[in-house]
Amino acid sequence: KAGVTQTPRYLIKTRGQQVTLSCSPISGHRSVSWYQQTPGQGLQFLFEYFSETQRNKGNFPGRFSGRQFSNSRSEMNVSTLELGDSALYLCASSQRQGVIYEQYFGPGTRLTVT
Amino acid sequence: AQTVTQSQPEMSVQEAETVTLSCTYDTSESDYYLFWYKQPPSRQMILVIRQEAYKQQNATENRFSVNFQKAAKSFSLKISDSQLGDAAMYFCAYRRGEGYDYGGSQGNLIFGKGTKLSVKP
Repeated sequence: KAGVTQTPRYLIKTRGQQVTLSCSPISGHRSVSWYQQTPGQGLQFLFEYFSETQRNKGNFPGRFSGRQFSNSRSEMNVSTLELGDSALYLCASSQRQGVIYEQYFGPGTRLTVT
Repeated sequence: AQTVTQSQPEMSVQEAETVTLSCTYDTSESDYYLFWYKQPPSRQMILVIRQEAYKQQNATENRFSVNFQKAAKSFSLKISDSQLGDAAMYFCAYRRGEGYDYGGSQGNLIFGKGTKLSVKP
């Protein structure tokens, strides 16, 4: 079974631009979560989508948004990019296994804002 | 709010030796899961081991085991017979239990800052 895939792997953008990142979960997984990883703040939860609906949201400004499609693929969008948005963005998918909760992570998208 | 603390930013271990990574957490919830994730330089986050809070028995996965002290809110990871491939960032993570789920959310992971483990040949 293929793992979580994220595209693109690397991205360079300029301040003020917007960016869209894509995540394809493991086949059969319906929940997709997004995390931002920076050296200073570590790993922080952005949002979670399940069955095309946002179920949970972290403490990020409204410039960060996302959506999920009927095939469970998810996109996140960051508008009006700031230098501080430079980070590794990780996507994780999950599917309940009894009472065990496991998230499988993708390789991430490295976003650099100049 | 729940917090996870890893007090060791960096650790080093000799190949074939044993190393223990520390993690403490704070929560008022009684039902939760704890995890250790490994992130090698390739950046792919991999689940190493998980522990359900309601289980008293410490989880074990091959060379990896945990020491779960619920009262002390401590969750350390022991790596035995360390190998060069164990070199990575290790993150401790917390996730609330299903009893707190609402709206279909499966909950989010709360991570510690990580411990960078080096393995010396």
